[in-house]
Formats: sequence, structure tokens, C-alpha cells
Amino acid sequence: DAGVIQSPRHEVTEMGQEVTLRCKPISGHNSLFWYRQTMMRGLELLIYFNNNVPIDDSGMPEDRFSAKMPNASFSTLKIQPSEPRDSAVYFCASSLRGQASEQYFGPGTRLTVT
Amino acid sequence: QQQVKQSPQSLIVQKGGISIINCAYENTAFDYFPWYQQFPGKGPALLIAIRPDVSEKKEGRFTISFNKSAKQFSLHIMDSQPGDSATYFCAASRPQTGANNLFFGTGTRLTVIP
Repeated sequence: DAGVIQSPRHEVTEMGQEVTLRCKPISGHNSLFWYRQTMMRGLELLIYFNNNVPIDDSGMPEDRFSAKMPNASFSTLKIQPSEPRDSAVYFCASSLRGQASEQYFGPGTRLTVT
Repeated sequence: QQQVKQSPQSLIVQKGGISIINCAYENTAFDYFPWYQQFPGKGPALLIAIRPDVSEKKEGRFTISFNKSAKQFSLHIMDSQPGDSATYFCAASRPQTGANNLFFGTGTRLTVIP
């Protein structure tokens, strides 16, 4: 299995631009998680889906952030408009719901907003 | 509010020594306690996990000690090696309730000196 796939791996954009991060979970997994990691705040859960349905989006920082999961094999995290404080590494993870919650993380997308 | 508190923030250990990282939680509904290991530039990966029905779990040089009454658990790395240098996250979840999201600690950066 290829594991969780994220794209792009690096993104540099200017303040005000729209940014879209993409994730392909492990085939057969039915839970998907989006995290943000920074030195100051550590690893933060932004949102997670079970069976393509958003379950908890309380970690989404503000309305500029949105996430979708149109099918079991694809999810996007969109930031519009982006701000310098959004600079972070964004991770996607997937797991089998009902199991012992082991989450498999992707390699992350390093976002820099200038 | 941080659901899982982790200490220390950083740790330096000599090769061959014992590394100890501690975590505490408040929510007694948690029933699954994993530790994740993250190397620079990579996503976190599951290292070892424990359920509260046992007080200790050992896998090679890695041991989790669990104290249910104190609501604390710790990771011990025996015979620490330079290759163990990474950031370690404790976490907790309550999969028995159907919620499989993980609550992560703030992380411990371990450096093992040769």
C-alpha cells in the first residue's frame, strides 16, 4: 500500500491567495483527519470525517478554512484567503473507524504564506 | 484546554541511557493510549499503544507504564540510541464510544547523544 498521499509537499503562496491541499487516504480506511503542526501550538486537529461525513470541525480556526471529502478516496483542505499566520505543516491521516484508533499519517504539506 | 498534558518539552540523554516521557489526562472516558514517533520532515507514526486494562506493555526497548488511578502514563526507552532522536507524542482516545479522534500531547523532543 502506498500509504496516505498528500499533495503538494510544499506550497509557497502570497497572502490573500487561495490554497488547496489534497489528501488520498489509505484504501479501505473510513476515517480521515486533517491536522496542523506548528512550533508554537504543536499538533492540532482541524477536522475529521467518518464515512465522508464531517464529524467534528471545532478545530477549524475560522471561516477562511474549509474541508471537503467528496468520496472515500479524496479530501481537500482549502484556505481562502491565506494569511502569513497560516504557515505550518498540514498533515492528513486516515484510520479504520472502530479499530483501536491507529492513525496513519501522510508526509505533510509545508505551507508558507508570505 | 489541553486534554493530555505531556512533559518534558525536550530531553537529552546519553547513548545507552533511559529516556522517560510522562503524560497525564483528566477524562476517564479515555480507553486507548498510543505513543507516536515523529522524525524531522515526516508524519507521526504509531510506536506503541496500551489500553487501561493492563499496567505495562513492552515492545523491544520501548515500554509504556500506565497508572489508571493517577491518570498518568509514561514511555520508557531503554538503552537509548542516537536513532531514537525524534519527537514523541502521547495521545488518548475513546474508541469504545465511537469517537476515534486522538487528543495529542504537546510533544517531547528527544536527543540521544552518542
